[in-house]
Amino acid sequence: EVQLVESGGGLVQPGGSLRLSCAASGFTFSSYWMSWVRQAPGKGLEWVANIKEDGSEKYYVDSVKGRFTISRDNAKNSLYLQMNSLRVEDTAVYYCVTPANDAFDIWGQGTMVTVSS
Amino acid sequence: QSALTQPASVSGSPGQSISISCTGTSSDVGNYDLVSWYQQHPGKAPKLMIYEGSKRPSGVSYRFSGSKSGNTASLTISGLQAEDEADYYCCSYAGSSTYVFGTGTKVTVL
Repeated sequence: EVQLVESGGGLVQPGGSLRLSCAASGFTFSSYWMSWVRQAPGKGLEWVANIKEDGSEKYYVDSVKGRFTISRDNAKNSLYLQMNSLRVEDTAVYYCVTPANDAFDIWGQGTMVTVSS
Repeated sequence: QSALTQPASVSGSPGQSISISCTGTSSDVGNYDLVSWYQQHPGKAPKLMIYEGSKRPSGVSYRFSGSKSGNTASLTISGLQAEDEADYYCCSYAGSSTYVFGTGTKVTVL
């Protein structure tokens, strides 16, 4: 069974850092691009970042460029999102997603990040 | 990277057909046949319903269909059922390996 399990969310103060992890299973992780998508409370979905199969290409939404870093460890079937200089507006559920055919196919259950003083 | 525009809400009676529009620009929806649609029930992760504009993943009901005209994509739900009540989001490829989602539409089954 294909499964994505996020972890690492929590409460952090503005300006702080947090690292999200996503454990993948049930498919050949190293053969797929991976993405992070977030959803602020009561709001819509927002694509955050993509990473190529081998980690050689990374792309970000403008609002997180220079603050967030997507990475992966194919040996551990894991995806990461390092979030620095966090802002109140980064408060959201963060989903780990496997894209396919330029669509977001398999979703994790999400991990909540709350940025508040 | 502005969000695609969707109506805030759409409603219909059981058995009816409804359509949800998704308006973008010539840089995203109008430039690529890569619009996808997602269904999200409260407290749940989104589910892919349509990809590449009009293709259905395995397991998605034939009652869901997608189309596009110019800078506007549409999702049609035919034979509306109570279980279709949810939030729906469109998403388009926007070039340079980036994506943009729509503002979301709440579908109510009367």
